[in-house]
Amino acid sequence: LAKTTQPISMDSYEGQEVNITCSHNNIATNDYITWYQQFPSQGPRFIIQGYKTKVTNEVASLFIPADRKSSTLSLPRVSLSDTAVYYCLVGRPSNSGYALNFGKGTSLLVTP
Amino acid sequence: DTAVSQTPKYLVTQMGNDKSIKCEQNLGHDTMYWYKQDSKKFLKIMFSYNNKELIINETVPNRFSPKSPDKAHLNLHINSLELGDSAVYFCASSLSKGPGTEAFFGQGTRLTVV
Repeated sequence: LAKTTQPISMDSYEGQEVNITCSHNNIATNDYITWYQQFPSQGPRFIIQGYKTKVTNEVASLFIPADRKSSTLSLPRVSLSDTAVYYCLVGRPSNSGYALNFGKGTSLLVTP
Repeated sequence: DTAVSQTPKYLVTQMGNDKSIKCEQNLGHDTMYWYKQDSKKFLKIMFSYNNKELIINETVPNRFSPKSPDKAHLNLHINSLELGDSAVYFCASSLSKGPGTEAFFGQGTRLTVV
């Protein structure tokens, strides 16, 4: 499994754009990049997934450069409710499912 | 309807006891998992079941025994509980095939061993 590295914590003010970068130097050809969000006392929740270039949904955007050795999760105009831990995962589904270890994640604190 | 539900949400028990945590998913997924999140917030895979068959068994003590009566259920039984077993346990499910897929998690079971 590809190892991922992301900042332990980030701070932001409400209304700002937040970019969280994840490094995954040994990503394999068939690997996808997935980001999850976890609020205290809840299970992780899927945010976005991509393979290359850019993916956007109603919550976030995911930017993946051509070499795919890193990715950036972009949260536009964050609010207080975006305070959570964000996990970057790299892997591919197989007969064993999509079991991945989540690592330490990035703890994002949004303040007024 | 809750997609992945686990019971109980909280479990406090004494060392040496045996306890079970139940998990059910109504998403029609063929793969289910158990994860453990410790006090440092690391979320680690324990087991993975695909169509009721054990696929992944990470380095988990054999006091932990998952049981999958059918595709929609994956229960976790823990024998002879120890203090170090205190953690939040998450059940999850996903599809095993596809170009990329997401896992859906339950709300977690906070196990406290005293």
